Amino acid sequence: EVQLVESGGGLVKPGGSLRLSCAASGFTFSNFPMTWVRQAPGKGLEWLTVISDGGIDTYYADSVKGRFTISRDNSKNTLFLQMDSLKAEDTAVYYCAKRSTVTVGYMDVWGKGTTVTVSS
Amino acid sequence: QSVLTQPPSVSGAPGQRVTISCTGSYSNIGANYDVHWYQQLPGAAPKLLIYVDDNRPSGVPDRFSASKSGTSASLAITGLQPEDEADYYCQSYDTSLSASVFGGGTKLTVL
Repeated sequence: EVQLVESGGGLVKPGGSLRLSCAASGFTFSNFPMTWVRQAPGKGLEWLTVISDGGIDTYYADSVKGRFTISRDNSKNTLFLQMDSLKAEDTAVYYCAKRSTVTVGYMDVWGKGTTVTVSS
Repeated sequence: QSVLTQPPSVSGAPGQRVTISCTGSYSNIGANYDVHWYQQLPGAAPKLLIYVDDNRPSGVPDRFSASKSGTSASLAITGLQPEDEADYYCQSYDTSLSASVFGGGTKLTVL
C-alpha cells in the first residue's frame, strides 16, 4: 500500500524551530519529487516547497523562503521540513505529498497531516 | 487572495449537475500550464481527483470531469451524490511566482 506518514508536529513558541518528517512506503521513494503543503485552520491549501527526486533541486513559496528548508534521505525513504523562525501565521496542518514532476506536477499521494501550532 | 479564483461555495440537489470554476491569468492557466483538481472530504487529507486537465486516477468515478479554456478551468460533477459533499481545489503552476498555486477552494453542499 502506498503510504505517507507525517510526524513531528506540536506546539512551539514564536521564533522557535520544528522539524517535520514524512515516512514513505509502498513506492520507490527515490524516483519521485516530494512536496509540502499546509492548511491553516479554516483556510485553503497553500503550497510550500518541493524537492527533486535526487534532492538537488528545491523550490519555495515566498511565504517560507529563507525560514523553511526541505530535504530528503532516500536511503531511509524519508522527507523532512526544517522550520525556523516560526510565526503565529505558520499554525496549520502540514501535509507531505508525492509529486509527479518538480514544477508543474500534481500530487497523487498525500499523508494525513501533522499539526503545528505556533503560540506563546 | 489566491492566484486562482474559485467560488467559495456551490450547491445542488442529488442527481443534479454542478460546475466549479477556476479562473487564473496568462501567467498560469493562460500559459497552458496543467490544471489539477483535488477533493477534500470533511476532516480528511486532500485527494487527487483530476490530473493534467481532464484525467481521472483509478477509482475516481466518471461523474467527475474537467475542462480548460483560455485562462480558466472548470470541474463538473454529474449525478450529484451526498458523498460528494466536500471542498474542491484547483491547482496549477504560475510562471511569475515560479511556484505551484492553489485556488481558494469551493465548498460543495449537496442539498
